[in-house]
Formats: sequence, structure tokens, C-alpha cells
Amino acid sequence: AQSVTQLDSHVSVSEGTPVLLRCNYSSSYSPSLFWYVQHPNKGLQLLLKYTSAATLVKGINGFEAEFKKSETSFHLTKPSAHMSDAAEYFCVVSGRSSGTYKYIFGTGTRLKVLA
Amino acid sequence: SAVISQKPSRDICQRGTSLTIQCQVDSQVTMMFWYRQQPGQSLTLIATANQGSEATYESGFVIDKFPISRPNLTFSTLTVSNMSPEDSSIYLCSVVGAGFTEAFFGQGTRLTVV
Repeated sequence: AQSVTQLDSHVSVSEGTPVLLRCNYSSSYSPSLFWYVQHPNKGLQLLLKYTSAATLVKGINGFEAEFKKSETSFHLTKPSAHMSDAAEYFCVVSGRSSGTYKYIFGTGTRLKVLA
Repeated sequence: SAVISQKPSRDICQRGTSLTIQCQVDSQVTMMFWYRQQPGQSLTLIATANQGSEATYESGFVIDKFPISRPNLTFSTLTVSNMSPEDSSIYLCSVVGAGFTEAFFGQGTRLTVV
């Protein structure tokens, strides 16, 4: 079975300061991992993905994430937060489970950016 | 990438009735999924829509309540049957292309049951 745990339900940062959203995963196989963002009343947008290539993955809008197998982590970072980054962020793991291929969502982290 | 058209975008329905949600993709895709997102919560997988056969349901979801069809590689429907206020949620269609890379999502159907 596979799962993801987002360690923080809410994160608040000041504009211009770094962002860290934490995600740990569990998977029986080499996982594919993703971060999605959902702005209020908007659809889901892919930020970045890890699919067993480079462990440091760069995404859109200045976000990046590092896959650390030893720590089973895939934390999302950004050097400097912008007001427009305020949104809900989901860590997602994909892989085969119970005979079918699935994409399993974490519980989400709501990022608040303070002026 | 894939462009997903999901209809309706929102609806208000009476309890005891059923609503069918349609998901149309602009290209052939390998996999199609249906998710539910309750207010303020994450996405929960309802089922995998299998082309030409019965959908594969997750624990807690049953075919009688959420019948799903997928007649071809680009279209699927989800029906929410005998609705109650607890079914008020956003329902999202998701697709994955060949290679099992990222999943793409429709804009969702915001359902309110009164």
C-alpha cells in the first residue's frame, strides 16, 4: 500500500521569506511523487513531479522539491514567498496498489502568506 | 497534457434524486478516475473507471451509490444516486496518459444537495 503524510495542515510565512511544506511518503515500490496546488475556487495545477530521474526537481513559479529515499520525504520549498502563493498544496504519490494504479492525495497544507 | 471538460460545473439537487456528471477528454487516455473533495478537505478517490468493464471502487464507495461508465477512451460518467445532504461535495474527474506520468484534473462539479 502507499500513502503520503503532509506534516503541517497550515503554514504561515511572511512575503519574501522561504517556504517549506513537508511531505513523507510510504510506498512498496519506487514511487512517483507530485505536488499540486489548488487556489480558492480553482482547479488543481501540477507544480512538479518526481519520476525516478533527478532527485532535485524544479517546478513552476520557483518551487522545487527534493526526493530523499533515506528519509522517505519529498518536501516542497521556495526561496521567497509571494502573496500569490497563498493556496492549498497537496502531495501525491502514485503507484500500483491492490492490483490497480492509483494517485493518492495527502491531506493538504494551507499556505498563508503575510504581507 | 490533456484538456478535460466536466459537466455540469455546479448543481443544486433535491435529496433522493440522482445526478450524472460527464467527463470528456480531448485525447485518448490510459486511466480515468473519479474523486470527491468535501468542503475544506483533500481529495478522496472514489473509483477507477475502466473502459468497457465495471469500475474499481475504493473502500467505502459502492456501485449502487456511485455507478460509473466508461464506454471509450475519452469519456466517462459518474452518477451520484439517491442523494442526501452528505453527498454535497466537489466531484472531480482525473485522467492519466500513457506512461503513467502526472494526472490531469477537470475543474470539478460542485454539488449541493438540499
